[in-house]
Amino acid sequence: KAGVTQTPRYLIKTRGQQVTLSCSPISGHRSVSWYQQTPGQGLQFLFEYFSETQRNKGNFPGRFSGRQFSNSRSEMNVSTLELGDSALYLCASSQDGNYGYTFGSGTRLTIV
Amino acid sequence: GESVGLHLPTLSVQEGDNSIINCAYSNSASDYFIWYKQESGKGPQFIIDIRSNMDKRQGQRVTVLLNKTVKHLSLQIAATQPGDSAVYFCAENAGGTSYGKLTFGQGTILTVHP
Repeated sequence: KAGVTQTPRYLIKTRGQQVTLSCSPISGHRSVSWYQQTPGQGLQFLFEYFSETQRNKGNFPGRFSGRQFSNSRSEMNVSTLELGDSALYLCASSQDGNYGYTFGSGTRLTIV
Repeated sequence: GESVGLHLPTLSVQEGDNSIINCAYSNSASDYFIWYKQESGKGPQFIIDIRSNMDKRQGQRVTVLLNKTVKHLSLQIAATQPGDSAVYFCAENAGGTSYGKLTFGQGTILTVHP
């Protein structure tokens, strides 16, 4: 059974640009969560989507947004990129958002 | 301002030894706990989980112990192998409306010497 797929694997952007990252969950999983991982802050929760609705949100500025489609695939968008947004962005899928979270390999975003 | 990197605890063992990685959690409402292994350049890989109504759970070569009284979680790896070298994270979920939200520990670097 296919795992969680994140695209692209690597991305380089310049300050002020925006970026969209994609996550395809495990088949049958309806919950997708996003995390940011940096050496300074570790793994931090961004938001969670279930059935196209955001149910939970972490403490990130409004420049970070997301959405989920009817097939459960999810995208996250970061606008007006800052150097501090350089990180590994991970998504995790779960059947219901309560248990059994499986992570993808992440998108390494570098801001120059 | 200058950012300060996390100083991760480290554990160094010999191949074949048993390893114990510890984690303290702060939210007494947490009711679900997971251990993940993360290798360089990869996403966290599920190892084992436990719900708050249990105090011990075993998998293949791994055991998780949960002590809710002192809010402590541990991961025991039996007969540690070089392939076990990685960063290990504990994560907790508070249940209720904490959908999809895992709170992660800082991680522990495990190095296994052949």
